[in-house]
Amino acid sequence: DTEVTQTPKHLVMGMTNKKSLKCEQHMGHRAMYWYKQKAKKPPELMFVYSYEKLSINESVPSRFSPECPNSSLLNLHLHALQPEDSALYLCASSQVGLAGYNEQFFGPGTRLTVL
Amino acid sequence: SQQGEEDPQALSIQEGENATMNCSYKTSINNLQWYRQNSGRGLVHLILIRSNEREKHSGRLRVTLDTSKKSSSLLITASRAADTASYFCATDHRDNYGQNFVFGPGTRLSVLP
Repeated sequence: DTEVTQTPKHLVMGMTNKKSLKCEQHMGHRAMYWYKQKAKKPPELMFVYSYEKLSINESVPSRFSPECPNSSLLNLHLHALQPEDSALYLCASSQVGLAGYNEQFFGPGTRLTVL
Repeated sequence: SQQGEEDPQALSIQEGENATMNCSYKTSINNLQWYRQNSGRGLVHLILIRSNEREKHSGRLRVTLDTSKKSSSLLITASRAADTASYFCATDHRDNYGQNFVFGPGTRLSVLP
């Protein structure tokens, strides 16, 4: 299985809602990533988990809360978001590199709209 | 922080022609990767080239890396309509904040039938 799956595909939420994005992979990868991508812009790295431990947090606001329950699952909990947080949220996974980042496998993304 | 920059921003060619996209970056890198993205969905990894490599091939793709000029190029030969997509370079590098992985702004390629 060489697929990264993400649910839901689309999410519309109000600024007072709490929701979660989910990501799953069964390739045995021990590094997992969250990216945010605005329209016509490149993906921006938000969080990196390595061996289920948060290794990189790119100064993301606390209204985004990542969680890695096990080596196959990655969640992104959302609370009190702002309309400017509307974007495509991409999950990726990779082998853990001895030095640096390896080839990443991306999911199809969750398109989030905050009203 | 923006590390890589692609050139051109948009490229339109006829099917069968070659497409060349360039990427420049600012700091020393461990590796440079090229990805393709169709219609704002998930990205697909194309090629990873390490800092001690100068050229790599994969099918119709050829990537070069010039660390002295801090630049890379992606050549797609004999392009097809299905190659229409956005292409991003991404650099694995160390900056003031530690190890980082940053995508360039991308090149939007249109291959016309």
